[in-house]
Amino acid sequence: EVQLVQSGAEVKKPGESLKISCKGSGYSFTSYWIGWVRQMPGKGLEWMGIVYPGDSDTRYSPSFQGQVTISADKSISTAYLQWSSLKASDTAMYYCARHREQQSDYWGQGTLVTVSS
Amino acid sequence: SYVLTQPPSVSVAPGQTARITCGGNNIGSKSVHWYQQKPGQAPVLVVYDDSDRPSGIPERFSGSNSGNTATLTISRVEAGDEADYYCQVWDSSSDHPGVVFGGGTKLTVL
Repeated sequence: EVQLVQSGAEVKKPGESLKISCKGSGYSFTSYWIGWVRQMPGKGLEWMGIVYPGDSDTRYSPSFQGQVTISADKSISTAYLQWSSLKASDTAMYYCARHREQQSDYWGQGTLVTVSS
Repeated sequence: SYVLTQPPSVSVAPGQTARITCGGNNIGSKSVHWYQQKPGQAPVLVVYDDSDRPSGIPERFSGSNSGNTATLTISRVEAGDEADYYCQVWDSSSDHPGVVFGGGTKLTVL
């Protein structure tokens, strides 16, 4: 059974750093792209970028380029999304999802990130 | 960048047919995918490649795509279909290829 399990909810202060994770199982982790999607409170889905765990090739949405870092560690079947300096506007639910061709066929349960002073 | 336009809301009575549209420039030349998101849950893929269904998705969910409009059709709507629905394409035409989502449509079952 394909599963993507994300790390737990986080509460951080502005300016702090953060790295959240997404662990894949039940399939060949190195053979599929993993994407990250932001959903701000009460809003729609926003695509942030993707990583190919096989060779760590990474692509970013222009809206998120330079704002976050996406990476993967194939040895532990885990993808990451990280911030070096959080802002209140980063408060959102973040989902990882497996890309099968052009669509996302399996999704993680989401990680809620709250940034507040 | 490529833009997908969805109506903010669609309402339908139980047992009727709901149609949710997704507009985009020459979207008929792209593969369109649809996701269902219920409150407090992660999105679920319900239609991919315009009209294919993943295993486990009821036949009541179908899709079409032509010209400048793609449509998700839900037949014999049930109360459990009440959710937000998002269309999605892969935009390879820009300098920064990537996923594009529509703004989402809230389906209300009356």
